[in-house]
Amino acid sequence: DQQVKQNSPSLSVQEGRISILNCDYTNSMFDYFLWYKKYPAEGPTFLISISSIKDKNEDGRFTVFLNKSAKHLSLHIVPSQPGDSAVYFCAASARNIQGAQKLVFGQGTRLTINP
Amino acid sequence: DADVTQTPRNRITKTGKRIMLECSQTKGHDRMYWYRQDPGLGLRLIYYSFDVKDINKGEISDGYSVSRQAQAKFSLSLESAIPNQTALYFCATSGVAGGSDTQYFGPGTRLTVL
Repeated sequence: DQQVKQNSPSLSVQEGRISILNCDYTNSMFDYFLWYKKYPAEGPTFLISISSIKDKNEDGRFTVFLNKSAKHLSLHIVPSQPGDSAVYFCAASARNIQGAQKLVFGQGTRLTINP
Repeated sequence: DADVTQTPRNRITKTGKRIMLECSQTKGHDRMYWYRQDPGLGLRLIYYSFDVKDINKGEISDGYSVSRQAQAKFSLSLESAIPNQTALYFCATSGVAGGSDTQYFGPGTRLTVL
């Protein structure tokens, strides 16, 4: 049962345009959401996060939007740059009784920025 | 120097062999995790540890075991490797900061079981 889903395995965007990566989740207990970026031969690196009490978080060219009623979040990158070409993972967490978090990851979306 | 290191980076082994993957961190974090990545499946949690005396199974722990030797070290073992354990393995660490619990990943170990 895939609790976090990224339904687009790949996305191709022209340099300078907006990239929109989507993620859906099924577990209403998730209260924190993150996006990770992964280059080949490297581990995932944290990009941006959002708490369930917010609907938007912005960091430079990256903005994450959360729609709790639809159980959907998206990552917007604008303007897109060639260095943004990577695999992007959406992740979600729900605090357990110890207060710590386990992350549940989506399948990933491979973003390619074309010059 | 990298904050989270994994050894080896690549390993080819045969079915039935015992394999240990090691992870070390210099971030001073209490929490450590082992994931595997398979094409089309994202990262799946194998085991996690919230401190030296704490070990917990993740969603796919069968066929794996772990040891938390110290705060900075967390190793993953495959007692008898099988081909469907061929995957990319990642170690991660986390420490609470401002209410979030961002995880920091090592560079990964590519394991091939023949």
